[in-house]
Amino acid sequence: QTVVTQEPSLTVSPGGTVTLTCASNTGPVTSVLYPNWFQQKPGQSPRALIYNTGKRHSWTPARFSGSLLGGRAALTLSGVQPEDEAEYYCLLYYGGTQVWVFGGGTKLTVL
Amino acid sequence: QITLKESGPTLVKPTQTLTLTCNFSGFSLTTSGVAVGWIRQPPGKALEWLALIYWDADKRYNPSLKSRLTITKDTSKNQVVLTMTNMDPVDTATYYCAHHSAALAGNYFDSWGPGALVTVSS
Repeated sequence: QTVVTQEPSLTVSPGGTVTLTCASNTGPVTSVLYPNWFQQKPGQSPRALIYNTGKRHSWTPARFSGSLLGGRAALTLSGVQPEDEAEYYCLLYYGGTQVWVFGGGTKLTVL
Repeated sequence: QITLKESGPTLVKPTQTLTLTCNFSGFSLTTSGVAVGWIRQPPGKALEWLALIYWDADKRYNPSLKSRLTITKDTSKNQVVLTMTNMDPVDTATYYCAHHSAALAGNYFDSWGPGALVTVSS
């Protein structure tokens, strides 16, 4: 069974920088897994932030950036704002079986 | 502007079949590279990808739920329907549909519906 793992929780100070990561139990995360990142606030639908590892959607603030880091997909928030407090999910595509798998989510607290 | 909205029963009994409809606008499910997917989220838990149907009617399912899921599309009505058989209380969740692009420019889900909460209880 394919499992995608994220940090359960992280805390960052306003104005700070934080990196969330996304690992796969099948091996290193690479661009062929087309990493996507989503933000979800309580009571809301997920909002797409990043796709294809590091591409921002047109509505995604520049302080959100995606990359590959140490065999994982990474989402870096720079200059964190209070409104960035949310749950963040990564999503990976396994082309061999053509299925998508979400990570367990990271609860980001801005404190 | 792409919009999607889920509809269906809010309450189903165990062993029943759930049928959810996603009505969408702002895109066509006949356009190459376009797809619509279903994702669910149990209360307080993580997102789980369920199924995807492509513009050419190709379908993909979550392997752990494949035997219970069917996804279909009606392009004339701009609708995608998901059925899930043999519902159980653990299937209680908010069910989302989302627009998906599998084009050269990217492979992603972008626009999501507001979600439909389905409770499974006798």
